[in-house]
Amino acid sequence: GAVVSQHPSWVICKSGTSVKIECRSLDFQATTMFWYRQFPKQSLMLMATSNEGSKATYEQGVEKDKFLINHASLTLSTLTVTSAHPEDSSFYICSARLGSYEQYFGPGTRLTVT
Amino acid sequence: GDSVTQMEGPVTLSEEAFLTINCTYTATGYPSLFWYVQYPGEGLQLLLKATKADDKGSNKGFEATYRKETTSFHLEKGSVQVSDSAVYFCALSEIRGTGANSKLTFGKGITLSVRP
Repeated sequence: GAVVSQHPSWVICKSGTSVKIECRSLDFQATTMFWYRQFPKQSLMLMATSNEGSKATYEQGVEKDKFLINHASLTLSTLTVTSAHPEDSSFYICSARLGSYEQYFGPGTRLTVT
Repeated sequence: GDSVTQMEGPVTLSEEAFLTINCTYTATGYPSLFWYVQYPGEGLQLLLKATKADDKGSNKGFEATYRKETTSFHLEKGSVQVSDSAVYFCALSEIRGTGANSKLTFGKGITLSVRP
């Protein structure tokens, strides 16, 4: 149980275009999901907390107009990277919270902007 | 604020060797503690957890004990396998209010390589 999926698993896009990444909790409902960014050989950096039915809470230094988050239902959150640039290339990981504190992570999405 | 400190890596061991990965934390309250594992090209998987002092989390031969007196949660395994090669992250989470704002704070992670 407690499976989280992400789609796509990898994507290549051209500079200036937008890319949408989906995060789904497959066998549980999650009122809260999280989006992380991971650089090579580094830890996860929390970007934002996504709450179903309300606006996302962004961490300091994360541009909310660039990284649009929508938590449309109790099983789906999306991250849209708008006007992507090469520096946005990274590994994006989502998680869904089950209960008060336990998070289950998706397999990640590798974004490459050319 | 909350923080998690992991020992510097990488760590390279021979198969069947004993493993210890140190993790200490700083928190204002009584956090829950976690170890996550990330295999190459994948997301994180919860390896084990402990929610209160003196709890021992265990899974797949790995163990970690929540030590409040030393604010530590060291990960151990008696005999590692090649398949244990991965990145290991220590993390904590404090429940704030109703829990709606609880976040995970991660250590930097440590890469373990096990050679045959």
